[in-house]
Amino acid sequence: GDSVTQMEGPVTLSEEAFLTINCTYTATGYPSLFWYVQYPGEGLQLLLKATKADDKGSNKGFEATYRKETTSFHLEKGSVQVSDSAVYFCALWGYQKVTFGTGTKLQVIP
Amino acid sequence: EAEVAQSPRYKITEKSQAVAFWCDPISGHATLYWYRQILGQGPELLVQFQDESVVDDSQLPKDRFSAERLKGVDSTLKIQPAELGDSAMYLCASSHTRRPYEQYFGPGTRLTVT
Repeated sequence: GDSVTQMEGPVTLSEEAFLTINCTYTATGYPSLFWYVQYPGEGLQLLLKATKADDKGSNKGFEATYRKETTSFHLEKGSVQVSDSAVYFCALWGYQKVTFGTGTKLQVIP
Repeated sequence: EAEVAQSPRYKITEKSQAVAFWCDPISGHATLYWYRQILGQGPELLVQFQDESVVDDSQLPKDRFSAERLKGVDSTLKIQPAELGDSAMYLCASSHTRRPYEQYFGPGTRLTVT
């Protein structure tokens, strides 16, 4: 079945540092890929998406590129802020349902 | 901005008691999902509704869990009897029929079973 593997956290960065959170997937066919963010005490919010190979999703300074050859969808941000502290989930849409990774907690310190 | 509403936000119950959660999706979203999120893990789909009909409940423990969406709008998820292992966050999400991959989540109900 479909699966998503994320790098384990927590990831601790200083403000303005560069962020990369790795995500790889296993799926049959051509899934759509997503990053969701969950702030403390809140539900998940869709951060960005990419629906086909080589697509780049972007939002709020975050980017991720759909790499079919490496089955990856790594999340990046050039300069993180304290307000980016949250849990980030990589997910894929395949066979009419979403499969989530286990989440990576990001903590940004001033 | 329209949001998915859930209540209660927190629930503490004793083992073997019954508990119920409520969800009101975004207006116009025909598809509704209930997920369970165990601490440190990603959400796992329990049940999916299309209007009032169940589309997928393959991961719902039907001996103790039930879900309904009688009028195709709001929904209730029930656990009876609750077990210690049911302690988790229960998330509701909704989506437009034409864009099922764009799911909007509510704040969740955190259940603690003692």
